[in-house]
Amino acid sequence: DADVTQTPRNRITKTGKRIMLECSQTKGHDRMYWYRQDPGLGLRLIYYSFDVKDINKGEISDGYSVSRQAQAKFSLSLESAIPNQTALYFCATSDADAAGELFFGEGSRLTVL
Amino acid sequence: DAKTTQPPSMDCAEGRAANLPCNHSTISGNEYVYWYRQIHSQGPQYIIHGLKNNETNEMASLIITEDRKSSTLILPHATLRDTAVYYCIVRVVFGAGMRFGAGTRLTVKP
Repeated sequence: DADVTQTPRNRITKTGKRIMLECSQTKGHDRMYWYRQDPGLGLRLIYYSFDVKDINKGEISDGYSVSRQAQAKFSLSLESAIPNQTALYFCATSDADAAGELFFGEGSRLTVL
Repeated sequence: DAKTTQPPSMDCAEGRAANLPCNHSTISGNEYVYWYRQIHSQGPQYIIHGLKNNETNEMASLIITEDRKSSTLILPHATLRDTAVYYCIVRVVFGAGMRFGAGTRLTVKP
């Protein structure tokens, strides 16, 4: 089983719908991240959390919200999805005591029609 | 975090060394150089990181110039499975996430 699991892996939805992407990890890491990747581009940070009580905006947080339900779970929500949020979304974790190596999930491909 | 510049694409023959350059002329003294790669649309995979000394692990070697303004990732014997996008990232340790640019698309050819 993967150390960082994302659900769903693929989702097609309509404009205006609320969508939640979930991430769970078994690595025991305190830090979790959500990234977005558009075709041909690198990854951009949406939100990150250094522990259960810590939530921080990344470079493109508008239109997104997150919830850190437990050390192992970090969810990303799109309250009202729009077509330009169509992208590949990645969750990642890192250990606060290590040199910042990120461990990524397999990605969630979201299409907003 | 300092900005990095990488060539958009490179080719390499299978079995030869792949040398991927990265410029980071505005790097600060407390910033590390990290390399990741992404195969197809999978999640990026950590390769190696370093501060100022050259580093080597089972995957690759990282050569950082003495002034730290550039670095080179070396895959000593590239295989077809090394075809991927390679990202060079500069960041302080324990900083808030990593900035992934467009990277270098390495194609290993038979």
